[in-house]
Amino acid sequence: GAGVSQSPRYKVAKRGQDVALRCDPISGHVSLFWYQQALGQGPEFLTYFQNEAQLDKSGLPSDRFFAERPEGSVSTLKIQRTQQEDSAVYLCASSPPNYGYTFGSGTRLTVV
Amino acid sequence: EDQVTQSPEALRLQEGESSSLNCSYTVSGLRGLFWYRQDPGKGPEFLFTLYSAGEEKEKERLKATLTKKESFLHITAPKPEDSATYLCAVQDQGAQKLVFGQGTRLTINP
Repeated sequence: GAGVSQSPRYKVAKRGQDVALRCDPISGHVSLFWYQQALGQGPEFLTYFQNEAQLDKSGLPSDRFFAERPEGSVSTLKIQRTQQEDSAVYLCASSPPNYGYTFGSGTRLTVV
Repeated sequence: EDQVTQSPEALRLQEGESSSLNCSYTVSGLRGLFWYRQDPGKGPEFLFTLYSAGEEKEKERLKATLTKKESFLHITAPKPEDSATYLCAVQDQGAQKLVFGQGTRLTINP
């Protein structure tokens, strides 16, 4: 597609509920990143894929967060047993090798 | 640990009033410094990448410069449509991830 597509755009979850956030990167982009952006802050790195391999997951805040990219294209970020502190915008970005990122518009997650 | 600090946090200007945004950074080895623009409800939009001290890049009313410790985003004769949050990020050598600052929220009044 023309850009990075994320769905849903908005998600309201009850505390303790599991959620799954989807990212469709630009076709052919090898690298895929997930970032978390709290209100009024800059994005913070969560995890990085090169094709289907998850090469860096150092930013995942707890073992409740899990990401996958099984076929090297679409990626899913899963959050288990959501907590209020998980409320944020989750951004996905993709890039070809050694080039700049293109970000999606994000999924705004609100945990109530 | 890589660190990025942006100042000011917020800036209000009148249309046509030029100014600069600051990005101070610490990184063990700089691979690139990035500037992004972010509008409300949208993802960051790429503006510039700078790779070495002394480098400058321009795009319309924006010019980015880089030294060994900081980068400036100069905005000349801004228009209301330049209102946005401007984000600075660094990429360490050997790393793929970007480390972002908290952003500067710029408002241009007509």
